[in-house]
Amino acid sequence: GEDVEQSLFLSVREGDSSVINCTYTDSSSTYLYWYKQEPGAGLQLLTYIFSNMDMKQDQRLTVLLNKKDKHLSLRIADTQTGDSAIYFCAVPPGSYIPTFGRGTSLIVHP
Amino acid sequence: DGGITQSPKYLFRKEGQNVTLSCEQNLNHDAMYWYRQDPGQGLRLIYYSQIVNDFQKGDIAEGYSVSREKKESFPLTVTSAQKNPTAFYLCASTRDTSPFQAPQHFGDGTRLSIL
Repeated sequence: GEDVEQSLFLSVREGDSSVINCTYTDSSSTYLYWYKQEPGAGLQLLTYIFSNMDMKQDQRLTVLLNKKDKHLSLRIADTQTGDSAIYFCAVPPGSYIPTFGRGTSLIVHP
Repeated sequence: DGGITQSPKYLFRKEGQNVTLSCEQNLNHDAMYWYRQDPGQGLRLIYYSQIVNDFQKGDIAEGYSVSREKKESFPLTVTSAQKNPTAFYLCASTRDTSPFQAPQHFGDGTRLSIL
């Protein structure tokens, strides 16, 4: 089955950029997703990228996709304390249900 | 506003007891899912349903049961056979077009603990 890997923690200073990385094994996904989870809440869709794109920008968010290396990243510019949360990448392999990474806890220091 | 409602937010189970977690959606989505989340782990799929009166086991279905009698409702029962039920449970749904490629909408979760 699909295997999705993320590092567990990332700590940054307020105002710096954050980069959260994700690697996956199955390359048949049409879309790849990033979700955000705040404490005690469910997951919210943050952004996504279509598999035939290399990059997608959405305000402070930039998603990069390297299909050759099966690597997905999420860059948050000018990181704020309100960005502190757990970030999950989700990769739906082919016609099956998305596999989620273990989540990266982003900690933003003032 | 459309969304997914999970209840209760907190639930306590005694030894040997079955408990049922509620999940209701008014998004008119066909597919619904139950996930279990443990600290430091990703979401693990318990059950999913693509259509009323049909559901499939996920990766960790043992000790759980579901029903899908109505499109908008997908309750999860944690049975006494589930020996380690303490976790955060998330319900999700997707629209009917290519459901597994569509983004999932999540409820706010139910935290289950053992008394």
